[in-house]
Amino acid sequence: KAGVTQTPRYLIKTRGQQVTLSCSPISGHRSVSWYQQTPGQGLQFLFEYFSETQRNKGNFPGRFSGRQFSNSRSEMNVSTLELGDSALYLCASSFLRGRDNEQFFGPGTRLTVL
Amino acid sequence: AQRVTQPEKLLSVFKGAPVELKCNYSYSGSPELFWYVQYSRQRLQLLLRHISRESIKGFTADLNKGETSFHLKKPFAQEEDSAMYYCAPKRGGYYKLSFGAGTTVTVRA
Repeated sequence: KAGVTQTPRYLIKTRGQQVTLSCSPISGHRSVSWYQQTPGQGLQFLFEYFSETQRNKGNFPGRFSGRQFSNSRSEMNVSTLELGDSALYLCASSFLRGRDNEQFFGPGTRLTVL
Repeated sequence: AQRVTQPEKLLSVFKGAPVELKCNYSYSGSPELFWYVQYSRQRLQLLLRHISRESIKGFTADLNKGETSFHLKKPFAQEEDSAMYYCAPKRGGYYKLSFGAGTTVTVRA
């Protein structure tokens, strides 16, 4: 099975712009989660989608939003970019069979805000 | 508030020495606990989960409900164990993983 893929891998934007990141989960996985990884804050949960519905949300401002499509692919959008949004954004998918669901991570999208 | 703490940011050990990564959590109910690992230039991946009570790559982790800890241990560290390790509790019945700040382990020859 192909792993989780994320596009683009690298992105450079300027303050005030907006950006859309894409995540394709492993085939058959219906849950997609997004995380922000920074050296100072570590891994922080952004949100989780299942069957096109957002089920969990982390403590991020409303500038961060996402959605999931019927094929389970997910997009994350950040509007009005700030310098502090520079980070590695990770997407993870899981099958959700039973309690012990393992999350499989993508390679991440490295966002740099200038 | 639910919280997970990994007190050591950096851990350096010699090859063949024991290594222990600490993780303490404050979660109500019965959380599910995981350790994830990120090797250099690789994706974050699951190392082990408490529910399986398994040993992966020589690592074990025991859930101590009394101390609310889930420390990761390996009796004899190898150079290939050098990586970033994250403790990740998940509230039972929910699907959100919370990650600790991570511990960078360096195993020296």
